[in-house]
Amino acid sequence: GESVGLHLPTLSVQEGDNSIINCAYSNSASDYFIWYKQESGKGPQFIIDIRSNMDKRQGQRVTVLLNKTVKHLSLQIAATQPGDSAVYFCAENKYQGGKLIFGQGTELSVKP
Amino acid sequence: EAGVTQFPSHSVIEKGQTVTLRCDPISGHDNLYWYRRVMGKEIKFLLHFVKESKQDESGMPNNRFLAERTGGTYSTLKVQPAELEDSGVYFCASSTDRSDTQYFGPGTRLTVL
Repeated sequence: GESVGLHLPTLSVQEGDNSIINCAYSNSASDYFIWYKQESGKGPQFIIDIRSNMDKRQGQRVTVLLNKTVKHLSLQIAATQPGDSAVYFCAENKYQGGKLIFGQGTELSVKP
Repeated sequence: EAGVTQFPSHSVIEKGQTVTLRCDPISGHDNLYWYRRVMGKEIKFLLHFVKESKQDESGMPNNRFLAERTGGTYSTLKVQPAELEDSGVYFCASSTDRSDTQYFGPGTRLTVL
């Protein structure tokens, strides 16, 4: 079936290091991908998105990479800070609209 | 500008009871979505409103769930009667256009005992 999944359920990094969170998707028809961050007690917060006609997109301290050949999506966080500790979800959308299909989430823990 | 708000933040009910969740989207957002996350699993889509019309309700688990959006503003999601497996966090999201970013509310944590 169609699914978006994450390789690792938890990730622990040292403050200041770079973090890489991975995601695999199975639906080659998906053309829009989003990363959300969810902190405890809050709803998912939009971080960055990328369309299927792009391989890379950069934001402030974050970069999303899309490899359509192997159906892989990753989120890179530069100079990880304690405030980055949260659960990160990737999500896909077939036509940049309507329902999002989420992966299970990766919990990022930043050690001081 | 206020974000998406949801009420209540927590609800604890007994199996067989009725619960109504409310979502107030960002002002001016025609698109409203309901999602839920059952413990330990991914966030799953329930349904999508465009103004007061149901655009996609393919994720609604069964007829015990009823969503409404009268007037195209706030939305309610009623569960009647609630079952144990309905426990989880229910999120609401809204967007200006269906192709735009979906902004999520803080969620309602529902516990069915």
